[in-house]
Amino acid sequence: EADIYQTPRYLVIGTGKKITLECSQTMGHDKMYWYQQDPGMELHLIHYSYGVNSTEKGDLSSESTVSRIRTEHFPLTLESARPSHTSQYLCASGLGAGETDTQYFGPGTRLTVL
Amino acid sequence: DQQVKQNSPSLSVQEGRISILNCDYTNSMFDYFLWYKKYPAEGPTFLISISSIKDKNEDGRFTVFLNKSAKHLSLHIVPSQPGDSAVYFCAASAGDDKIIFGKGTRLHILP
Repeated sequence: EADIYQTPRYLVIGTGKKITLECSQTMGHDKMYWYQQDPGMELHLIHYSYGVNSTEKGDLSSESTVSRIRTEHFPLTLESARPSHTSQYLCASGLGAGETDTQYFGPGTRLTVL
Repeated sequence: DQQVKQNSPSLSVQEGRISILNCDYTNSMFDYFLWYKKYPAEGPTFLISISSIKDKNEDGRFTVFLNKSAKHLSLHIVPSQPGDSAVYFCAASAGDDKIIFGKGTRLHILP
């Protein structure tokens, strides 16, 4: 069983607010990822990190930012939320590299921006 | 341009019968393939994977088949159980620590 946690699980917020979505894992994985998923659609990679102080943008452009100050923690921040940011945000971690590319997901945060 | 395609948005199967979920890919650099299962309001759960050097991998009721020449893989679930009702995502990796996901197939197991 993967030990990866996300808070909050659900968030409804007004336009223009700053929000931070938390993600923590206790598996000691170096690699962590943020995905965005809309209903009926594939998961889109928006950020990833290969370790402390490493962050990269993913394949889908996002106005969010991330930080990786500690191995176990990979928060995502939106400085000014907009209705177009309404989506499910999924955090994952993994060992990476070929056959060990399996990623383990947290429960997700369902964000609604009014 | 979708690199991983799941052309069936949904599938209904009688309990006890075999469920077959299909997936096609376009990138010949993919060398590792995964299936994830997702319940509503939860994150995807890793189910089973297969390396490109194999053509079959089995884990209990779940078997994944890979046909590299056709760039096609399938997930077989037998026998299907009510708890198998979920969305199944096919995913692939080219060994660059990134996973590309399909859009998913919603599986309904009928009583």
